[in-house]
Amino acid sequence: LAKTTQPISMDSYEGQEVNITCSHNNIATNDYITWYQQFPSQGPRFIIQGYKTKVTNEVASLFIPADRKSSTLSLPRVSLSDTAVYYCLVGDIGADNQGGKLIFGQGTELSVKP
Amino acid sequence: DAGVTQSPTHLIKTRGQQVTLRCSPKSGHDTVSWYQQALGQGPQFIFQYYEEEERQRGNFPDRFSGHQFPNYSSELNVNALLLGDSALYLCASSTIGGQGYSYEQYFGPGTRLTVT
Repeated sequence: LAKTTQPISMDSYEGQEVNITCSHNNIATNDYITWYQQFPSQGPRFIIQGYKTKVTNEVASLFIPADRKSSTLSLPRVSLSDTAVYYCLVGDIGADNQGGKLIFGQGTELSVKP
Repeated sequence: DAGVTQSPTHLIKTRGQQVTLRCSPKSGHDTVSWYQQALGQGPQFIFQYYEEEERQRGNFPDRFSGHQFPNYSSELNVNALLLGDSALYLCASSTIGGQGYSYEQYFGPGTRLTVT
């Protein structure tokens, strides 16, 4: 399974764009990149998923370079309510050794200040 | 449309006791997964239930067991509690996709278990 590395913490200010980069040098051909967000005392929430290039939804954008060895979650114009832990997950959820389980690392704790 | 619900919200138990946690999946979902989240760590997969059977299991001892009912709700049971079992227990539900698994899992708010 691909190991992921992301910053432990990041600080930002309201209104700024925040980019959180995740390294996954050993990503396999069938692996997808998925990001989850977790607020204190709540369960994680799916944000976005991608395989290559760029994916955008109403919450965030995900940039994946051609070699797929890293990915960047971009949050436009953050607010105080975006303060949370962000997890980068890499894997092939249907593979025998993953079989439907989400594999979380330690995540990036984002703190948005006024 | 109700999301994933879990009960109880908080629980305090003594070492050696047994505990049962409950989960109701999001409407329309048939698969339930359980995760353990220690303070400051990411969630760790315990097991997953589909069609009332354990389909996948993480690296947890047999003290952790579960059940899924015909209405898709689920229970997590932990026997012989240890201090190290203190954690947030999360339930996640999903639907069967083309391969039978889904990246987009919906999590409940969790049950905070404290073992003293």
